[in-house]
Parts: sequence; structure tokens; C-alpha cells
Amino acid sequence: QKEVEQDPGPLSVPEGAIVSLNCTYSNSAFQYFMWYRQYSRKGPELLMYTYSSGNKEDGRFTAQVDKSSKYISLFIRDSQPSDSATYLCGGSSASKIIFGSGTRLSIRP
Amino acid sequence: DTAVSQTPKYLVTQMGNDKSIKCEQNLGHDTMYWYKQDSKKFLKIMFSYNNKELIINETVPNRFSPKSPDKAHLNLHINSLELGDSAVYFCASSQGTAGGPLETQYFGPGTRLLVL
Repeated sequence: QKEVEQDPGPLSVPEGAIVSLNCTYSNSAFQYFMWYRQYSRKGPELLMYTYSSGNKEDGRFTAQVDKSSKYISLFIRDSQPSDSATYLCGGSSASKIIFGSGTRLSIRP
Repeated sequence: DTAVSQTPKYLVTQMGNDKSIKCEQNLGHDTMYWYKQDSKKFLKIMFSYNNKELIINETVPNRFSPKSPDKAHLNLHINSLELGDSAVYFCASSQGTAGGPLETQYFGPGTRLLVL
């Protein structure tokens, strides 16, 4: 079993829709959780991080962590075509990030 | 001003060859990493250096050897290349290793390696 599991998609939604991306993890030692966004043929870039259970909001993006069920979510409101990318969730412990396999998201204009 | 740069961007080579990928960061970070991303986009850490010292060495064939001449550079040398080494290799850097925002990793553009 991988330490971080993520549905690879692809996920295609119309512009303006609310997007929900989800991951589960198995490593109880994870202290921090993050979402990275990766555009085609580019390196990943940090979108959001959180270190506790609950929600963290940044503009149209909300990251949610439920440590009791080991569930990580990213919500995107009012999705835009520019949000089309691969989204990687990750958990961090012992100085390293373990990433999920990424979910490919496409926003249709 | 590229924060994390890698050379070359593309590398096409024959099985059995030896090749190197170079990485440089101008962010003043103490920690650098090498990741391998396969065709299914799975991004897996290979190595990590903090102030030129190896701190993470995942289960990677010993054909892969990282070298950090100084904390701004981390190179990856691969001996006897195999078909399964074909992937995108990303270099990254972070300020520290303590976790949270200090561990935010900044990735380079990637090196696309194709072994024929």
C-alpha cells in the first residue's frame, strides 16, 4: 500500500464548477500536508500547506485535513481554465514529502 | 532569474551509457533534493542533501550517485543507464527540513531522460 493514495483522474469539469480533489494516507507520522500544482511540462509548485486537522482557505482554494480518517482534500471554487493542471497531495515527516500520484484536472471553458 | 535550474532539459541516450544532470539554486536554501517522476506522474524522492551532507537516500540503485560540491549545487550521475531509468528527474530546494513553510520545496523545470 502506498503511503499516500490519490485518484489519478482525469477529472473534467465545466468552468465555474466547484472541484473536489481527495487523498488518503496511511502514515500516522505525517505532521504536515500540502498540495502542489503541476502544469504540463513544468515542475510542481506549492499551492497550500496545512499542519493540523481543519480547513485552510486561500482565495478560491480550501485545503482540508481530517487526521482521524487520514483524509486530505482540496476544494477549488469558481474553477477557471487556468486551473487545468495535475494536483499532487503530499504528507511530510522525517524531512521528506511523500506525494500521491497526482490527479489530472481539466476545466472546460 | 531562475530560482532552481537544471541542465540539460532533455537527454536522449543509449542503454549502458553514463550521464549527469546538473542542478543549481540561487535561493540561498540549505537543502536540495532529487525526485524521479514516472510516466504516471508519480513523484518519488531519491536523495536529499542539507548543507552538502546526504540526509535522505531512498531505495535507489547504486548506479545513481548524487554529488553536492556546495550547498547551491546538487548533481546526479547515472551509470549504466537502463530502459527503466526513462523518466523526468526534478531537482528541488527548501530553506530547511523542519517541516511546514520552511520545508516548502521549489522545483526546477525537470530533465526529461529517454533511454533507448
